[in-house]
Amino acid sequence: EIVMTQSPATLSVSPGERATLSCRASQSVSSNLAWYQQKPGQAPRLLIYAASTRATGIPARFSGSGSETEFTLTISSLQSEDFAVYYCQQYDNWPPGWTFGQGTKVEIK
Amino acid sequence: EVQLVETGGGLIQPGGSLRLSCAASGFSVNSNYMTWVRQAPGKGLEWVSVMYNGGSKYYADSVKGRFTISRDNSKNTLYLQMDTLRAEDTALYYCAYGSYGSGKGVFHIWGQGTMVTVSS
Repeated sequence: EIVMTQSPATLSVSPGERATLSCRASQSVSSNLAWYQQKPGQAPRLLIYAASTRATGIPARFSGSGSETEFTLTISSLQSEDFAVYYCQQYDNWPPGWTFGQGTKVEIK
Repeated sequence: EVQLVETGGGLIQPGGSLRLSCAASGFSVNSNYMTWVRQAPGKGLEWVSVMYNGGSKYYADSVKGRFTISRDNSKNTLYLQMDTLRAEDTALYYCAYGSYGSGKGVFHIWGQGTMVTVSS
């Protein structure tokens, strides 16, 4: 199983500041990496796929980078609606055994 | 409007069975692929199963042999038959839709989930 490790577990950021979230894979997943945002009581929402491609309707302040085992989600200027939990997910292995990271909570500082 | 609505959750005793449904609107469940993802209370996301448009099905090791994914194209509905349920299957179960255009395991559209509680 490919283990996805996210850091930090919690990130305290002030509105308007930049947030940088990390995701590490236990083995190479190429660029088969997605990021999701989940707010309390809501379903996850796809933000980024293929490591750096924004999903439809996602604001440009969200950006993804990385490949193989190291990935980053950057929120350039945090808005109030961005405070949430963020998950990375690998979809590289076949047959599917896709795995998520444990999540990073972005909270208001 | 593109939408997924899950139903069928509830309280079930260990060893029991339950069938979850996921009704789709605005697109066909037999296009691209559909998946189930679960989230235990206060925990992260866990992929459970996927069904591709050609009919291929795959399962996480934790549910293999106990859960079965299927669909009814005429009802535009995805199902998850869950047998021999265990306490550790307690979770909010989401169905989600993915498009090949973005890869074989990316989930673009999510339902709101249905809660399954396995307890005596």
